[in-house]
Amino acid sequence: DTAVSQTPKYLVTQMGNDKSIKCEQNLGHDTMYWYKQDSKKFLKIMFSYNNKELIINETVPNRFSPKSPDKAHLNLHINSLELGDSAVYFCASSPPGLYYGYTFGSGTRLTVV
Amino acid sequence: RKEVEQDPGPFNVPEGATVAFNCTYSNSASQSFFWYRQDCRKEPKLLMSVYSSGNEDGRFTAQLNRASQYISLLIRDSKLSDSATYLCVVNVNTDKLIFGTGTRLQVFP
Repeated sequence: DTAVSQTPKYLVTQMGNDKSIKCEQNLGHDTMYWYKQDSKKFLKIMFSYNNKELIINETVPNRFSPKSPDKAHLNLHINSLELGDSAVYFCASSPPGLYYGYTFGSGTRLTVV
Repeated sequence: RKEVEQDPGPFNVPEGATVAFNCTYSNSASQSFFWYRQDCRKEPKLLMSVYSSGNEDGRFTAQLNRASQYISLLIRDSKLSDSATYLCVVNVNTDKLIFGTGTRLQVFP
């Protein structure tokens, strides 16, 4: 019974295309996140949503647009893909408060060619 | 200065060894701290929270020194299955965790 699930697991696409990654959590958490892990393995937050509302948008190009139809879902749409967008994108969720860690999905490995 | 800094390693240790990882953080207002483990090509998974009084979970012990803004993780009696990257994680406000770049551990037979 997967707690945070992302699809697709792998995505290979050409420069200039538009693609989406979907994320769903069944943990009942209020807050969801998108993180990007680059080739140097650095994990950096992109967006945070709390109960469908955008809380954090970390200097991410506006080609990236998150959408949260309800608090269990947070999707990521990327327009005009560039080579530098190649990375692993992780969705995560957490309960409210400071003292709980995040639960991550298994990641989407995006390769732009 | 990076918000969370770790020695990238790798640390290569034999089975049964004790190994310690250190981490420093820059924001003195940080309130919660964690160690995560990430296996190759997998997602990060929460290993343990770090409390001011220090805490232990089996072979793993975490310590926090707020005055020095320093966190540590000690692994005793290393197993082959401990081989992974260990991420130091710090909360800087209510809405985001900041991850260090990780310390790679390789345990050999």
